[in-house]
Amino acid sequence: AQKITQTQPGMFVQEKEAVTLDCTYDTSDQSYGLFWYKQPSSGEMIFLIYQGSYDEQNATEGRYSLNFQKARKSANLVISASQLGDSAMYFCAMREDMGRRALTFGSGTRLQVQP
Amino acid sequence: GAGVSQSPSNKVTEKGKDVELRCDPISGHTALYWYRQSLGQGLEFLIYFQGNSAPDKSGLPSDRFSAERTGGSVSTLTIQRTQQEDSAVYLCASSFLGTGGRLSQPQHFGDGTRLSIL
Repeated sequence: AQKITQTQPGMFVQEKEAVTLDCTYDTSDQSYGLFWYKQPSSGEMIFLIYQGSYDEQNATEGRYSLNFQKARKSANLVISASQLGDSAMYFCAMREDMGRRALTFGSGTRLQVQP
Repeated sequence: GAGVSQSPSNKVTEKGKDVELRCDPISGHTALYWYRQSLGQGLEFLIYFQGNSAPDKSGLPSDRFSAERTGGSVSTLTIQRTQQEDSAVYLCASSFLGTGGRLSQPQHFGDGTRLSIL
């Protein structure tokens, strides 16, 4: 069964607008962590933001924030004030406390920011 | 630099040959991971090393794949008798988990090795 589902293979957004990238997950663990990574066309994986399952506040890092809805098992990434440099693949990933310590990744969303 | 270093950056080889991919993690990082990314896909877990514990090999796709980590630092991923379906980008990551293995520690990735099997 898919543990991480990203239903948007591709998204377009106008420069300076906000965009939400969807991520739903499946786990029976009570303790887990959710991560978002950015992969530009150059290929490197860049860590963006982390949300723990017990965190009461939604995580924020600069222009990135997480809309974390635990009951719905969703952890959507919100990018505010999009910039041309935000064009990239975005991956949602999860690590379970009781499972393996490696990350399980979704299939990714390709975001294109248009001028 | 202080990041995860992988070599070679590109490797082209003939079907049936063996290949070795190297990963030099961030100094002090106790955990090391190998992932594989096929074209246009997400990352697929291969193997995980943590300190002196036995590695988690549950993601290795076949017995042609093996990996070792020497001295708790550098790791080598070996693919024997390569097949065309092994063509992918192989990514290494490291993180500091310490005792208790904090969930919040992000994994830091190298730039990967692009492997092409002819």
